[in-house]
Amino acid sequence: EAQVTQNPRYLITVTGKKLTVTCSQNMNHEYMSWYRQDPGLGLRQIYYSMNVEVTDKGDVPEGYKVSRKEKRNFPLILESPSPNQTSLYFCASGDRGNTEAFFGQGTRLTVV
Amino acid sequence: AQKVTQAQTEISVVEKEDVTLDCVYETRDTTYYLFWYKQPPSGELVFLIRRNSFDEQNEISGRYSWNFQKSTSSFNFTITASQVVDSAVYFCALSEDNSGYSTLTFGKGTMLLVSP
Repeated sequence: EAQVTQNPRYLITVTGKKLTVTCSQNMNHEYMSWYRQDPGLGLRQIYYSMNVEVTDKGDVPEGYKVSRKEKRNFPLILESPSPNQTSLYFCASGDRGNTEAFFGQGTRLTVV
Repeated sequence: AQKVTQAQTEISVVEKEDVTLDCVYETRDTTYYLFWYKQPPSGELVFLIRRNSFDEQNEISGRYSWNFQKSTSSFNFTITASQVVDSAVYFCALSEDNSGYSTLTFGKGTMLLVSP
């Protein structure tokens, strides 16, 4: 089954404790990206990657890091999480030949 | 820069009413893609439709229909005979051709509440 898998689905952490949200896709897509969703703001892009070892900032990259060492994986790293990073995070992947961008199930992160 | 505007923050209807969700976009590209996604209370994003900029035909899928008008830069979504299960947040999104969907610009969403 074609899918984008994010882990964990839910996470509560404390300020300053480094964390990683994993994202993996099994469709051999070139393009992957991360979004955060906040009430009243819709989804905003954090980072995206158009190929292995190629990453670019989206609209709200501050406080986040990513890496694309393999085509299938695109982890989101919060080196020192802060409460304003409490949000719902989505990973997505796609290719030009697809009809849609495929989204993971979302990760709800709370930073206290 | 591209932009998507969903002016309706929240819409409330009674079951069986028809409802239209508005979406207005801005882009400098001549080739682009427009999407609608549904986000039910469970939180996942459900793909509804993609339309490319060269295809202005309206589309109907069951109770759902979409009206794409390049002249007004709009891509509106109509639900006919709404049902309680249609209650969700609906997002309109735009992707320019060269991004391969690596970058989607979303509107802020419209929350639709359908009451029995």
